[in-house]
Amino acid sequence: GAVVSQHPSWVICKSGTSVKIECRSLDFQATTMFWYRQFPKQSLMLMATSNEGSKATYEQGVEKDKFLINHASLTLSTLTVTSAHPEDSSFYICSARPSATGYNQPQHFAQPQHFGDGTRLSIL
Amino acid sequence: GQNIDQPTEMTATEGAIVQINCTYQTSGFNGLFWYQQHAGEAPTFLSYNVLDGLEEKGRFSSFLSRSKGYSYLLLKELQMKDSASYLCAVTFLGFSSGSARQLTFGSGTQLTVLP
Repeated sequence: GAVVSQHPSWVICKSGTSVKIECRSLDFQATTMFWYRQFPKQSLMLMATSNEGSKATYEQGVEKDKFLINHASLTLSTLTVTSAHPEDSSFYICSARPSATGYNQPQHFAQPQHFGDGTRLSIL
Repeated sequence: GQNIDQPTEMTATEGAIVQINCTYQTSGFNGLFWYQQHAGEAPTFLSYNVLDGLEEKGRFSSFLSRSKGYSYLLLKELQMKDSASYLCAVTFLGFSSGSARQLTFGSGTQLTVLP
């Protein structure tokens, strides 16, 4: 089955540090990947949509300059939390959907998003 | 709007059947997914509904009524390992992201299975 690898799984660092999180689709290509943030006992909140070869699309309220997204290939997207502060501490999860043939056709929409294992970020 | 509502918590007994409901108000509805998430882990895909009716996958079934904006996830023969959060998620036409078909998640239903 489709596998998404996310690394690192756990980060503890000092305030002001920049942290890079990688999301890789291991056995499929993904023109689009998604980055979510989840606070304890809350649901996933979409932060941004990462598009291969173009700029990411950010959700309202998400700072583009703080959460830098790069999607340089069809299998890798990175999220960099710049100058992280304690309020950025959260569980960050990426997901990817296989790029099926017939893009924009029903079989593409039926493809579920596959999630990475998440990165637990703690800023001291 | 894209309000997705599901109960916050449910409790059931091992071996029983439980139904988790989800209602949604969203324009451009394209499909509905159910995910299971154990604490501290990423969500795992359970089911997908785009047409009205019931989709069955082993112990899990999911139902959709597009006209009513309603879905449910049915879990049969509950096991202790089924204790988890169950997330209802809807795809819609995300105008800001073109055809990316973003997922909008409900707040999740925390299911506790008791022995």
